[in-house]
Amino acid sequence: GAVVSQHPSRVICKSGTSVKIECRSLDFQATTMFWYRQFPKQSLMLMATSNEGSKATYEQGVEKDKFLINHASLTLSTLTVTSAHPEDSSFYICSATGNYEQYFGPGTRLTVT
Amino acid sequence: DQQVKQNSPSLSVQEGRISILNCDYTNSMFDYFLWYKKYPAEGPTFLISISSIKDKNEDGRFTVFLNKSAKHLSLHIVPSQPGDSAVYFCAASATGSARQLTFGSGTQLTVLP
Repeated sequence: GAVVSQHPSRVICKSGTSVKIECRSLDFQATTMFWYRQFPKQSLMLMATSNEGSKATYEQGVEKDKFLINHASLTLSTLTVTSAHPEDSSFYICSATGNYEQYFGPGTRLTVT
Repeated sequence: DQQVKQNSPSLSVQEGRISILNCDYTNSMFDYFLWYKKYPAEGPTFLISISSIKDKNEDGRFTVFLNKSAKHLSLHIVPSQPGDSAVYFCAASATGSARQLTFGSGTQLTVLP
């Protein structure tokens, strides 16, 4: 299957700082990537849909000014958590879509202290 | 309102026996369903999918059954192996593809040796 990578795998940052997470499709071009967030023992919640070369589409309740998404190329999408707060601590997962499957990255554990 | 529900948060099965994971949905517009397997601190891995025009899809030890009238699908794993121990998510889409997935809350499967 296709491979999606994420970097970093885990990051700890101080409250008020910004953190950037990268998502790359390694062996295919992804016109669309998705960003999810997962709280412990809960489902994956879709945050936004990232389309190459255009603005991301955010789900209801997700602050677009806080979670900045850039999809500059067919193989790279970035999520920047701005002015991070402890409640932003979570597991963030990206995915890239083929036609009939979504290929997920390994996730990024963000801890805001 | 949870459109995709996995009512069993956990399931334990003896090695070699059948594992049956269940999923219910409420949105009649869903026409494509997927099962993912997830290990801790990793992204979900695609297992198997089924289109709403089918009622069964089989891939090796994994079979997915879809009952549209009951809005219910299930994943059967036969025979179960200890390596199958993971969280299993069902997901649904109304786009006929793997785009715009709505996930259930997951079921932790433990296969006992």
